[in-house]
Amino acid sequence: EADIYQTPRYLVIGTGKKITLECSQTMGHDKMYWYQQDPGMELHLIHYSYGVNSTEKGDLSSESTVSRIRTEHFPLTLESARPSHTSQYLCASMGDYLDGYTFGSGTRLTVV
Amino acid sequence: ILNVEQSPQSLHVQEGDSTNFTCSFPSSNFYALHWYRWETAKSPEALFVMTLNGDEKKKGRISATLNTKEGYSYLYIKGSQPEDSATYLCALLTGTASKLTFGTGTRLQVTL
Repeated sequence: EADIYQTPRYLVIGTGKKITLECSQTMGHDKMYWYQQDPGMELHLIHYSYGVNSTEKGDLSSESTVSRIRTEHFPLTLESARPSHTSQYLCASMGDYLDGYTFGSGTRLTVV
Repeated sequence: ILNVEQSPQSLHVQEGDSTNFTCSFPSSNFYALHWYRWETAKSPEALFVMTLNGDEKKKGRISATLNTKEGYSYLYIKGSQPEDSATYLCALLTGTASKLTFGTGTRLQVTL
């Protein structure tokens, strides 16, 4: 049973649309992360959060924004989608660093 | 930016073969090294978290070692099975935010 949920699983959307990718976890983890992966490339960190009301940009520059109003919820928003945003987006959370990350199932976004 | 390299990029073995992959990194300035298994259409799953030079971890037929002085970690699979087919990711955990920097992964395919 998944402890971290991402929706939608797949999304095809037109250029210029606003989209929000949802990520929720039930484990009470303070740290949450968004990673982006282009085909054949490594996962790159685009956003992370230490806890409620904390958001930071990751190592890879992204036009997306995130919010963390509740511990369990860490949505990612693109105000105006472009074809260059086509990618896979993975959400993760972590409690104890010795346990590793728990990942969601990902959202595969295609902007046409 | 931390550079995590994995080799080989892909590997095709027969059922019953034993195999190993390498993760190399330039320094020991990290808290932990993680290994994940990522099966197609599923979420990445944590296999091992290693923190100390000389660490060895084992889970069933899969084991891993860490050498921080020479900057590498090995993942071994004994007697590969088709269900071992997946991408194996190595990542370094750094910083107070516990950010993971990933390699590009080794894609393993095990056939009958």
